[in-house]
Parts: sequence; C-alpha cells; structure tokens
Amino acid sequence: AQKVTQAQTEISVVEKEDVTLDCVYETRDTTYYLFWYKQPPSGELVFLIRRNSFDEQNEISGRYSWNFQKSTSSFNFTITASQVVDSAVYFCALSGRSGGSYIPTFGRGTSLIVHP
Amino acid sequence: KAGVTQTPRYLIKTRGQQVTLSCSPISGHRSVSWYQQTPGQGLQFLFEYFSETQRNKGNFPGRFSGRQFSNSRSEMNVSTLELGDSALYLCASSSRQGSGHEQFFGPGTRLTVL
Repeated sequence: AQKVTQAQTEISVVEKEDVTLDCVYETRDTTYYLFWYKQPPSGELVFLIRRNSFDEQNEISGRYSWNFQKSTSSFNFTITASQVVDSAVYFCALSGRSGGSYIPTFGRGTSLIVHP
Repeated sequence: KAGVTQTPRYLIKTRGQQVTLSCSPISGHRSVSWYQQTPGQGLQFLFEYFSETQRNKGNFPGRFSGRQFSNSRSEMNVSTLELGDSALYLCASSSRQGSGHEQFFGPGTRLTVL
C-alpha cells in the first residue's frame, strides 16, 4: 500500500516570508510519480509539478522550488517570498504502479495562509 | 483551449436517491478520472476511464459507477445515496492513460445528501 503524509495541517506566514511544505511518502514500488497540486478557494486543483522516481534533480520554477530525496522518501515544496495569492491548500500526491495500474494517493493537504 | 467542465456545480439530494454527474474533458484528452473529496477522508480516487473503458478503480462500493462516451465525456453515477456521500466530486482529464501523468481538474460538483 502507498501512503502520503503531510504533517503540517495549516501554516500561517506573513507576506514575503519563505515557507516549506513537507511531504513524506511510502511505497514499495520502484517506479512511481510524485506530484504537487494547489487548491485555491474556488476548489479546482491546479497542477504544479510531477516527478518520477528516477529523477532526483531538484527543480525551481520562479518562486517555487521542490526538493526530492529518495533516501528520506520526501518531496518538499518551498515558496520563496510568499504572496497573498499563494494562500491555498496544497496537496502532495503519489502515483505508484499497483497491480499494473497507477493508482493515485493524496496527502491530507496543507492549508497555507499568507497574511499581508 | 477550454478547461475541464463539470455539471452541475451544486446538487442536493436525499438519502436513497441516485445521482448522475457529468464531466467534459479538455479537447483531445481521452483519460477521465474521478475523485471524491471530503473533510474526513480527504481526496480519494474513484476510477479512471480511457477510450470508453474503465482502466483503474479505487476502493469504493459498487454504488459508485461510471462510464465514458465516444467523445470522451464521462458520467459518474451514485445509487442509493447515503449521508456520507456528501462531498466535492472532482473530475480530471489527461492526454494519457494512468495517473502517472499530469492531470487537469475541473471545478467539481458539490453534492449534498440530506
């Protein structure tokens, strides 16, 4: 069975602070994919990034960066110089090959509140 | 390109009734997945359809079913509604089969069961 843990239920920061959202996963698969999604108040999940299990390169996209470490089964997400528009619920997800099919598992989400 | 659309956006039903939700994927996408989101259980995968065939299925009872049409539009049906079925139902489309690929989500249908 696969599992995704986002231990931080809610994080509150002031604008321009850096913030890191943690994601720890468990899987027996050797091939799997990790994702981060953003869910603003409107409810629609927005794709942020996808990583396969063979690519441990960190990635930076503007103010967003991701740190993937297989040794600690973690895929953390950092927002630099946070802005009010970053306020949303962020989900980490794992898609592993279970019985020949990729079944996605989501973490419980981290609610990020950025105060002006 | 138009995004994923879901209808209706809001729905109120009573226990024992059945409901059908609709999802139109992004043009050209042949994979449609359905998810249930509740405060108690979080986001859970229901099933995925690709080229009119169910390819993957989550751990939900048989009351939850779906289908996909030749134009890739998909419907999800829940029969004999229970109070616990109250949730936001999200649909996601992808150009490729399997949840290992980028998915584009719709705004969801909020179902309330009274």
